[in-house]
Amino acid sequence: DQQVKQNSPSLSVQEGRISILNCDYTNSMFDYFLWYKKYPAEGPTFLISISSIKDKNEDGRFTVFLNKSAKHLSLHIVPSQPGDSAVYFCAASAPGGSQGNLIFGKGTKLSVKP
Amino acid sequence: NAGVMQNPRHLVRRRGQEARLRCSPMKGHSHVYWYRQLPEEGLKFMVYLQKENIIDESGMPKERFSAEFPKEGPSILRIQQVVRGDSAAYFCASSPSSGRAGEQFFGPGTRLTVL
Repeated sequence: DQQVKQNSPSLSVQEGRISILNCDYTNSMFDYFLWYKKYPAEGPTFLISISSIKDKNEDGRFTVFLNKSAKHLSLHIVPSQPGDSAVYFCAASAPGGSQGNLIFGKGTKLSVKP
Repeated sequence: NAGVMQNPRHLVRRRGQEARLRCSPMKGHSHVYWYRQLPEEGLKFMVYLQKENIIDESGMPKERFSAEFPKEGPSILRIQQVVRGDSAAYFCASSPSSGRAGEQFFGPGTRLTVL
């Protein structure tokens, strides 16, 4: 049973447009959410995070929105650039907010076309 | 400031052999995590260690897998008597003791292939 779900395995977007990556979760006790970006043959790189007490966090071109009632979060990238092409993983922090394990979705492969 | 180091980057083993994967955390980080990624899957948590202590091993298979993070030296993930199903990418991550909750820094991974 997947606690963190990324239902779109892939997404293709034109350069300069907005990319929206979605993530759903089932455990209402999750209190911290993160997005990681991964290039082939590399480890995931932390991108942006959000605490469950907030509904939005913005960092440059990246914004994460959290809808707790829907157990849904999304990552917006605007404007999208070809260098953003990668696999994006949504992750949730285990209950308790400790530095324990992260629970990852299966990832969405973003392709940004020039 | 070097990032998380993992070696080897690629490891090939025959069924029944042992695999030893090493991870050196970022300087100043005292928390180490191991994750496994099967093809077309997300990363799955295996174990969380601090120096000389296993904090959470709820994701570790009950048999053949073990992990340690000694006082000196890298963290080691050991897989005994490997089987084909162990073929995967194994990622190590680290975090500082006072780091932001949940944020972990990942190494490049070790790709294990079992023939």
